[in-house]
Amino acid sequence: SSELTQDPAVSVALGQTVRITCQGDSLRSYYASWYQQKPGQAPVLVIYGKNNRPSGIPDRFSGSNSGNTASLTITGAQAEDEADYYCNSRDSSGNHLGYVFGTGTKVTVL
Amino acid sequence: EVQLVESGGGLVQPGRSLRLSCAASGFTFDDYAMHWVRQAPGKGLEWVSGISWNSGSIGYADSVKGRFTISRDNAKNSLYLQMNSLRAEDTAFYYCAKDTAAGTYYFDYWGQGTLVTVSS
Repeated sequence: SSELTQDPAVSVALGQTVRITCQGDSLRSYYASWYQQKPGQAPVLVIYGKNNRPSGIPDRFSGSNSGNTASLTITGAQAEDEADYYCNSRDSSGNHLGYVFGTGTKVTVL
Repeated sequence: EVQLVESGGGLVQPGRSLRLSCAASGFTFDDYAMHWVRQAPGKGLEWVSGISWNSGSIGYADSVKGRFTISRDNAKNSLYLQMNSLRAEDTAFYYCAKDTAAGTYYFDYWGQGTLVTVSS
């Protein structure tokens, strides 16, 4: 199956900008989606498609895609953005209906 | 309001079976594929299995293939996961997740999860 690789952890000062990256071959064929997960909670979709935000997600969250890399950017990070973030895409290895998740990035807001 | 409510988790011995359920409401259930995603304690997310709207297409992660069976009952707005020959490494929170319109490929709604613990 496909693999998606993320940096394990990043930190950002309150109000500053942080970019989280996700790399994998499946991203050459499919857009990444991004999920935020806070401790003890289910994941929440924050970015999907080319660069779309579900209703209720602040516009400080944005996404981009290039080649085998997808990025999630938080512009003006807030304390409530501290969470784990996972990228996700369809599995391009042939597993029918399959998806693959990234390894996850823990974002700490200082 | 879309709601996905998982049930059926619990403590089970290695080698035994367990059946998870996911009750869906707030959307037209038989319009969408559905999935199970799991997360071992302190670990990342892992896609487990998916099923198309009409059960015509089904997929499994290699880690569960041959042991787990996904199914759905559109008349009951319910998704299931039959888990056989359970192993300690199957211990995880299991989430039910809704797929989106064909060709868009993401999970727009998740349940709160049900914990499966495999231990003797």
